[in-house]
This record gives sequence, structure tokens and C-alpha cells, in this order.
Amino acid sequence: SQQGEEDPQALSIQEGENATMNCSYKTSINNLQWYRQNSGRGLVHLILIRSNEREKHSGRLRVTLDTSKKSSSLLITASRAADTASYFCATRDTNAGKSTFGDGTTLTVKP
Amino acid sequence: DAGVIQSPRHEVTEMGQEVTLRCKPISGHDYLFWYRQTMMRGLELLIYFNNNVPIDDSGMPEDRFSAKMPNASFSTLKIQPSEPRDSAVYFCASSLLGAGENEQFFGPGTRLTVL
Repeated sequence: SQQGEEDPQALSIQEGENATMNCSYKTSINNLQWYRQNSGRGLVHLILIRSNEREKHSGRLRVTLDTSKKSSSLLITASRAADTASYFCATRDTNAGKSTFGDGTTLTVKP
Repeated sequence: DAGVIQSPRHEVTEMGQEVTLRCKPISGHDYLFWYRQTMMRGLELLIYFNNNVPIDDSGMPEDRFSAKMPNASFSTLKIQPSEPRDSAVYFCASSLLGAGENEQFFGPGTRLTVL
């Protein structure tokens, strides 16, 4: 199975609401990254959080990492219709030279 | 920089034909990745290169798939012969540092349809 697994698979909210997506993983990691994919496009990097960090912010994005629970969350505040996309977490475990992507959460923000 | 460039953007071919997908990474990036994305399997890493050398090809599904990186600015992914189950979107990505050390920049993808 995938190293990173996002939850929920799909999320639908109204513009202005906050959206929270979660990612769980199985092994020890060096870092965890979140990516966004708009329909028909390639993935775009959003934020990277290292294993020794607990929280990171970038604009309207807030990422947390709990290594004891092997989980991360991505919070998008004050969502906009343009945030509609699929969101993926990618983990790089300590013994691998590559990142592994989860199956993604599909976010729909209704105007 | 124009970002990662992939060609063609769309490819429709018949079963049994050879397919070649092309990628130009961002200049100066030492790592290049090929991914395949389908609804059933999600995003799968097929192979990645460091300084033009294949490092991990464990994700290449079959011998029908091959990838090359003859120089720092060009890579190809070849499928010969192609089969309908190869239909997917194929992404190329590059990064400056090691896989997962920092962000990967993805190309727009090639949508492959094998009839």
C-alpha cells in the first residue's frame, strides 16, 4: 500500500470555510511534503515539513506533523473556489532516496 | 526558466505500437523522475535518475518500459510494444537535490491513450 494515505478521499466545502486534510504514513520519515494538482495539470509543491518540525505556515496553509502518530494535516483557511484541486502528501522515509505519494484528497470549494 | 517540458501533451496510438515520451528537466536540476498516474493506481514512481544515471527503476512495470537520460537536459520513456493498460498520464519531474530533499517540479504530463 502507499506510504502516505490521505483522508478524507473527498471533501466539499463552501467558499470561506476552512479545509482540513490528513495524511498517515507507516515508516520513519525525513520529511513530508504536500502537493496540489489542478485538473489536467501536473503537481505543484506547496510546503515541506521536516521530521524535527511540528508546524509550518505558508500564507493560508498550515501544516502540522506528529511523528509519534505518523500523521500530518494540511489546513487551508478561508478557502476559495480556486483551491479546488487534489491534494497529495509525499513522504521520504529515512531509508529511501525517493518520495512516495499518497492517493490524494479531492477538495471542492463551492462559490 | 520554462519549467519542466514534456512532449507530446497527448498521444493516441494503437496496441502494439512503440511510444516515446520526452522530457526536458529544469536546467541545473540533478534529479529526474518519471511517474505514471491512473485512477486505479494513483501516482506511481517508475524510475528516477541522478546526474543522468538511473538510480531506482523498481517501479518500471515490465520490460516493455525503458527509460534513458543521454544528457542532463533530456530524457525519454519508451513503451514497446504498447498495450491498452498502459493508458495513463505520464509525468516527468525534476529536483535540485535528492528525491524528497526538496520540492519536485512537475511537467504538464503526457496523456497516453492506447487503443
